[in-house]
Amino acid sequence: RKEVEQDPGPFNVPEGATVAFNCTYSNSASQSFFWYRQDCRKEPKLLMSVYSSGNEDGRFTAQLNRASQYISLLIRDSKLSDSATYLCVVNNRRKFYFGSGTKLNVKP
Amino acid sequence: ETGVTQSPTHLIKTRGQQVTLRCSSQSGHNTVSWYQQALGQGPQFIFQYYREEENGRGNFPPRFSGLQFPNYSSELNVNALELDDSALYLCASSLVGTSLGDTQYFGPGTRLTVL
Repeated sequence: RKEVEQDPGPFNVPEGATVAFNCTYSNSASQSFFWYRQDCRKEPKLLMSVYSSGNEDGRFTAQLNRASQYISLLIRDSKLSDSATYLCVVNNRRKFYFGSGTKLNVKP
Repeated sequence: ETGVTQSPTHLIKTRGQQVTLRCSSQSGHNTVSWYQQALGQGPQFIFQYYREEENGRGNFPPRFSGLQFPNYSSELNVNALELDDSALYLCASSLVGTSLGDTQYFGPGTRLTVL
Protein backbone atom coordinates (compact mmCIF):
# COMPACT_ATOMS: atom_id res chain seq x y z
CA ARG A 1 0.00 0.00 0.00
CA LYS A 2 1.34 3.45 -0.87
CA GLU A 3 2.14 5.84 1.96
CA VAL A 4 0.17 8.64 0.32
CA GLU A 5 -2.58 8.31 -2.26
CA GLN A 6 -4.20 10.95 -4.44
CA ASP A 7 -6.72 10.92 -7.24
CA PRO A 8 -4.61 11.75 -10.32
CA GLY A 9 -7.47 13.61 -12.03
CA PRO A 10 -7.47 15.57 -14.19
CA PHE A 11 -10.05 17.86 -12.69
CA ASN A 12 -11.33 20.11 -15.48
CA VAL A 13 -13.22 23.09 -14.05
CA PRO A 14 -14.36 26.49 -15.36
CA GLU A 15 -12.97 29.72 -14.03
CA GLY A 16 -14.69 30.74 -10.83
CA ALA A 17 -15.51 27.19 -9.77
CA THR A 18 -14.77 25.68 -6.38
CA VAL A 19 -12.75 22.48 -6.46
CA ALA A 20 -11.62 20.13 -3.69
CA PHE A 21 -8.89 17.51 -3.56
CA ASN A 22 -8.38 14.80 -0.99
CA CYS A 23 -5.32 12.82 -0.10
CA THR A 24 -5.12 9.80 2.19
CA TYR A 25 -2.10 8.58 4.13
CA SER A 26 -1.41 5.18 5.62
CA ASN A 27 0.71 5.87 8.70
CA SER A 28 -1.26 7.22 11.64
CA ALA A 29 1.97 8.36 13.33
CA SER A 30 2.71 10.93 10.61
CA GLN A 31 3.65 14.26 12.10
CA SER A 32 3.29 17.03 9.57
CA PHE A 33 1.44 17.64 6.34
CA PHE A 34 1.71 19.99 3.37
CA TRP A 35 0.28 20.87 -0.01
CA TYR A 36 2.64 21.78 -2.85
CA ARG A 37 1.84 22.82 -6.39
CA GLN A 38 3.98 21.84 -9.34
CA ASP A 39 3.83 23.39 -12.78
CA CYS A 40 4.87 21.38 -15.81
CA ARG A 41 8.62 20.64 -15.77
CA LYS A 42 9.17 22.89 -12.73
CA GLU A 43 10.02 22.22 -9.11
CA PRO A 44 7.31 21.83 -6.44
CA LYS A 45 6.42 25.06 -4.64
CA LEU A 46 5.00 25.16 -1.14
CA LEU A 47 1.34 26.10 -1.14
CA MET A 48 0.55 25.66 2.54
CA SER A 49 1.08 23.59 5.64
CA VAL A 50 -1.91 21.67 6.95
CA TYR A 51 -3.08 21.69 10.55
CA SER A 52 -5.82 19.85 12.41
CA SER A 53 -7.52 23.13 13.13
CA GLY A 54 -7.63 23.91 9.43
CA ASN A 55 -5.94 26.82 7.79
CA GLU A 56 -6.85 29.29 5.12
CA ASP A 57 -4.76 31.41 2.80
CA GLY A 58 -6.88 33.59 0.56
CA ARG A 59 -8.83 31.31 -1.78
CA PHE A 60 -7.15 28.18 -0.45
CA THR A 61 -8.27 26.17 2.58
CA ALA A 62 -6.50 23.07 3.88
CA GLN A 63 -7.79 20.62 6.45
CA LEU A 64 -6.37 17.60 8.24
CA ASN A 65 -8.51 14.77 9.55
CA ARG A 66 -6.30 12.54 11.69
CA ALA A 67 -9.07 10.11 12.62
CA SER A 68 -9.73 9.27 8.97
CA GLN A 69 -6.14 9.91 7.87
CA TYR A 70 -6.81 12.30 5.07
CA ILE A 71 -5.97 15.86 4.16
CA SER A 72 -7.93 18.10 1.88
CA LEU A 73 -7.42 21.22 -0.19
CA LEU A 74 -10.25 23.49 -1.26
CA ILE A 75 -9.75 26.13 -3.93
CA ARG A 76 -12.46 28.76 -4.30
CA ASP A 77 -13.01 31.05 -7.27
CA SER A 78 -10.55 29.13 -9.48
CA LYS A 79 -8.24 31.16 -11.71
CA LEU A 80 -6.57 30.08 -14.93
CA SER A 81 -3.27 30.41 -13.08
CA ASP A 82 -4.35 27.70 -10.63
CA SER A 83 -3.85 25.10 -13.38
CA ALA A 84 -1.10 22.84 -12.07
CA THR A 85 -0.50 19.52 -10.33
CA TYR A 86 -1.19 19.57 -6.60
CA LEU A 87 0.95 17.30 -4.44
CA CYS A 88 0.20 16.33 -0.88
CA VAL A 89 3.14 15.56 1.39
CA VAL A 90 3.26 13.65 4.65
CA ASN A 91 6.21 13.63 7.02
CA ASN A 92 6.83 10.62 9.25
CA ARG A 93 10.03 10.57 11.31
CA ARG A 94 11.95 12.76 8.89
CA LYS A 95 10.87 10.77 5.83
CA PHE A 96 8.78 12.80 3.45
CA TYR A 97 6.21 11.01 1.32
CA PHE A 98 4.67 12.68 -1.71
CA GLY A 99 1.51 11.65 -3.43
CA SER A 100 1.58 11.27 -7.21
CA GLY A 101 -0.32 14.53 -7.57
CA THR A 102 -3.73 15.66 -8.73
CA LYS A 103 -3.86 17.57 -11.99
CA LEU A 104 -6.12 20.62 -12.17
CA ASN A 105 -7.09 22.31 -15.44
CA VAL A 106 -8.99 25.58 -15.09
CA LYS A 107 -10.69 26.53 -18.35
CA PRO A 108 -11.90 29.98 -19.47
CA GLU B 1 12.57 32.14 -5.94
CA THR B 2 13.56 29.86 -3.05
CA GLY B 3 17.28 30.56 -3.17
CA VAL B 4 18.01 26.85 -3.55
CA THR B 5 20.29 26.17 -6.50
CA GLN B 6 21.26 22.94 -8.23
CA SER B 7 23.85 22.00 -10.80
CA PRO B 8 24.01 20.90 -13.48
CA THR B 9 20.61 21.62 -15.03
CA HIS B 10 20.76 18.66 -17.40
CA LEU B 11 23.04 15.67 -17.63
CA ILE B 12 23.34 12.69 -19.96
CA LYS B 13 25.19 9.58 -18.82
CA THR B 14 25.47 5.99 -19.98
CA ARG B 15 24.57 2.89 -18.03
CA GLY B 16 27.21 1.88 -15.50
CA GLN B 17 28.68 5.36 -15.11
CA GLN B 18 28.72 7.41 -11.93
CA VAL B 19 27.21 10.86 -11.44
CA THR B 20 27.45 13.65 -8.86
CA LEU B 21 24.73 16.25 -8.48
CA ARG B 22 25.11 19.39 -6.39
CA CYS B 23 22.81 21.54 -4.31
CA SER B 24 23.23 24.80 -2.43
CA SER B 25 20.66 25.34 0.27
CA GLN B 26 18.76 28.52 1.00
CA SER B 27 20.75 30.95 3.14
CA GLY B 28 20.36 30.07 6.82
CA HIS B 29 18.98 26.57 6.19
CA ASN B 30 20.82 23.63 7.79
CA THR B 31 19.15 20.62 6.18
CA VAL B 32 19.05 19.26 2.65
CA SER B 33 16.77 16.52 1.35
CA TRP B 34 17.07 14.78 -2.02
CA TYR B 35 14.24 13.42 -4.16
CA GLN B 36 13.90 11.49 -7.40
CA GLN B 37 10.93 12.33 -9.60
CA ALA B 38 10.15 10.08 -12.53
CA LEU B 39 7.86 11.36 -15.28
CA GLY B 40 4.23 11.47 -14.17
CA GLN B 41 5.06 10.56 -10.56
CA GLY B 42 5.45 12.45 -7.32
CA PRO B 43 8.92 13.00 -5.88
CA GLN B 44 10.34 9.97 -4.05
CA PHE B 45 12.39 10.70 -0.93
CA ILE B 46 15.99 9.51 -1.24
CA PHE B 47 17.56 10.86 1.98
CA GLN B 48 18.05 13.89 4.18
CA TYR B 49 21.25 15.41 5.56
CA TYR B 50 21.45 17.44 8.75
CA ARG B 51 24.71 18.61 10.31
CA GLU B 52 26.66 16.61 7.76
CA GLU B 53 25.00 13.33 8.77
CA GLU B 54 22.33 11.28 7.03
CA ASN B 55 19.17 11.96 8.99
CA GLY B 56 16.58 9.77 7.26
CA ARG B 57 16.56 7.56 4.18
CA GLY B 58 13.92 6.36 1.77
CA ASN B 59 13.78 3.07 -0.09
CA PHE B 60 16.85 3.55 -2.31
CA PRO B 61 19.84 1.19 -2.68
CA PRO B 62 23.30 2.00 -1.26
CA ARG B 63 24.57 3.08 -4.69
CA PHE B 64 22.71 6.31 -3.91
CA SER B 65 24.89 8.19 -1.44
CA GLY B 66 25.33 11.75 -0.32
CA LEU B 67 27.37 14.29 1.49
CA GLN B 68 26.68 17.53 3.28
CA PHE B 69 29.40 20.11 3.72
CA PRO B 70 30.00 22.58 6.60
CA ASN B 71 28.35 25.35 4.55
CA TYR B 72 25.23 23.06 4.32
CA SER B 73 25.56 22.50 0.59
CA SER B 74 25.16 18.90 -0.49
CA GLU B 75 26.00 16.32 -3.13
CA LEU B 76 24.08 13.33 -4.36
CA ASN B 77 26.21 10.53 -5.85
CA VAL B 78 24.79 7.68 -7.85
CA ASN B 79 27.04 4.77 -8.82
CA ALA B 80 26.51 2.09 -11.47
CA LEU B 81 23.79 4.06 -13.23
CA GLU B 82 20.78 2.15 -14.53
CA LEU B 83 18.29 3.18 -17.19
CA ASP B 84 15.59 3.56 -14.50
CA ASP B 85 17.69 6.24 -12.80
CA SER B 86 16.61 8.65 -15.54
CA ALA B 87 14.56 11.24 -13.69
CA LEU B 88 14.42 14.76 -12.31
CA TYR B 89 16.51 14.98 -9.13
CA LEU B 90 15.33 17.62 -6.72
CA CYS B 91 16.91 18.93 -3.60
CA ALA B 92 15.04 20.80 -0.90
CA SER B 93 16.38 22.81 2.00
CA SER B 94 14.83 23.45 5.39
CA LEU B 95 15.72 24.79 8.82
CA VAL B 96 15.47 21.92 11.29
CA GLY B 97 15.29 22.93 14.92
CA THR B 98 12.59 25.56 14.50
CA SER B 99 8.81 25.43 14.29
CA LEU B 100 9.14 25.55 10.50
CA GLY B 101 11.70 22.77 10.37
CA ASP B 102 9.61 20.46 8.23
CA THR B 103 8.86 23.09 5.60
CA GLN B 104 10.98 22.41 2.55
CA TYR B 105 11.90 24.69 -0.33
CA PHE B 106 12.91 23.11 -3.59
CA GLY B 107 15.60 23.88 -6.12
CA PRO B 108 14.88 23.75 -9.87
CA GLY B 109 16.22 20.20 -10.20
CA THR B 110 18.73 18.32 -12.33
CA ARG B 111 17.31 16.30 -15.20
CA LEU B 112 19.37 13.12 -15.59
CA THR B 113 19.10 10.93 -18.66
CA VAL B 114 20.78 7.52 -18.64
CA LEU B 115 21.32 5.93 -22.04
